[in-house]
Amino acid sequence: SYELTQPPSVSVSPGQTARITCSGDALPNQYVYWYQQKAGQAPVLVIYKDTGRPSGIPDRFSGSSSGTTVTLTISGVQAEDEADYYCQSAGTSGTSYVFGTGTKVTVL
Amino acid sequence: QVQLVESGGGVVQPGRSLRLSCAASGFIFSNFDMYWVRQGPGKGLEWVAFISYDGSDKSYSDSVKGRFTISRDNSKNTLHLQMNSLRAEDTAIYYCAKEGPVTPGDYFDYWGQGTLVTVSS
Repeated sequence: SYELTQPPSVSVSPGQTARITCSGDALPNQYVYWYQQKAGQAPVLVIYKDTGRPSGIPDRFSGSSSGTTVTLTISGVQAEDEADYYCQSAGTSGTSYVFGTGTKVTVL
Repeated sequence: QVQLVESGGGVVQPGRSLRLSCAASGFIFSNFDMYWVRQGPGKGLEWVAFISYDGSDKSYSDSVKGRFTISRDNSKNTLHLQMNSLRAEDTAIYYCAKEGPVTPGDYFDYWGQGTLVTVSS
């Protein structure tokens, strides 16, 4: 089955830049979406269609895409950005959806 | 504002059934596809089921196909998930989620707070 691969963890100091990658063979032909999930809470959409930012999401969150890898960048990381982050795309078989393996962002 | 409120979770024995519901408000429910997504304890997110805006099209993950049924009542702004033949591996928080408005819409822009399903003898 189709998989999206993320690094298990990323650690970053406050004010620095965190980059989270998501890799998948079908990504050149798919849009990717990113979700932030803080401990004990439901996921929140932070990026749509590779680079779009929903209203209310700080502009320090940005997305980019290159071939089979997409990247979520958090510039000027703040303590409140500590969370799990998941990428997501449509699946490759019928109407289906796949999430990445998830990345835990730790703010040092 | 958009609100999605799940209910119906609980503890159930393996092989038994459970029906989850999701009450939607703050948007035109009948205009949007809806989804169920689950998260096992300490695990990542897993898409479970999809239903089109009018209920005419449905899709399921391989892990639940043939056991779970998604449905909706647009007159009551409610989404359901009927779960039969439950297994221990179905233990998870179940979230309902709304289709994102930007084409192609293959994403989830609002999520409920989730309802916990525990399958255990």
